[in-house]
Amino acid sequence: AQKITQTQPGMFVQEKEAVTLDCTYDTSDQSYGLFWYKQPSSGEMIFLIYQGSYDEQNATEGRYSLNFQKARKSANLVISASQLGDSAMYFCAMRGPGGKLTFGQGTILTVHP
Amino acid sequence: KAGVTQTPRYLIKTRGQQVTLSCSPISGHRSVSWYQQTPGQGLQFLFEYFSETQRNKGNFPGRFSGRQFSNSRSEMNVSTLELGDSALYLCASSLGEGLYVYGYTFGSGTRLTVV
Repeated sequence: AQKITQTQPGMFVQEKEAVTLDCTYDTSDQSYGLFWYKQPSSGEMIFLIYQGSYDEQNATEGRYSLNFQKARKSANLVISASQLGDSAMYFCAMRGPGGKLTFGQGTILTVHP
Repeated sequence: KAGVTQTPRYLIKTRGQQVTLSCSPISGHRSVSWYQQTPGQGLQFLFEYFSETQRNKGNFPGRFSGRQFSNSRSEMNVSTLELGDSALYLCASSLGEGLYVYGYTFGSGTRLTVV
């Protein structure tokens, strides 16, 4: 069985600063994918970044980077230069061989001006 | 290109009724999966369809069913609604299936309220 753990229910960050959202995972599969999604209050899930289990380099997408530490089973999201529009719920998710996504409980990020 | 379209956006139903939700994936995407999101249980996988075949099913009662049509559009049906079925139902489409998925695009969801 796969499990995703996000230990930070809420995080606060000052505008223009960087923030790290934690995610640890558990799986016995060798091949898997890790995703981060942003969910604003409107409800839509917005894809941010993807990391494959065999990717040797950390994924980056603009201001988003994924700090992938396979041995520690962690996949933390780093948001650089936070903006007010980054305030939202953030979910870490894992895709296993079957294609199903398993989500963590989420972290609410609040960006202060 | 158009994103994933879910209809309706909001729905209010009475206990015991049934409901059908619709999801139109991104053009060319053949895989559609459904998720239920509630404050208590978070996001939970319902089922996944690829080329009209159900490939994977979550741990939900048989009242929850779905199907996919030849144009990849998918419908989800919930019969004999219970209060606990009140949730945001999200649909996601992807180009590939299983291991060969590197991104899922979600719709805006259907918010179902059962009274």
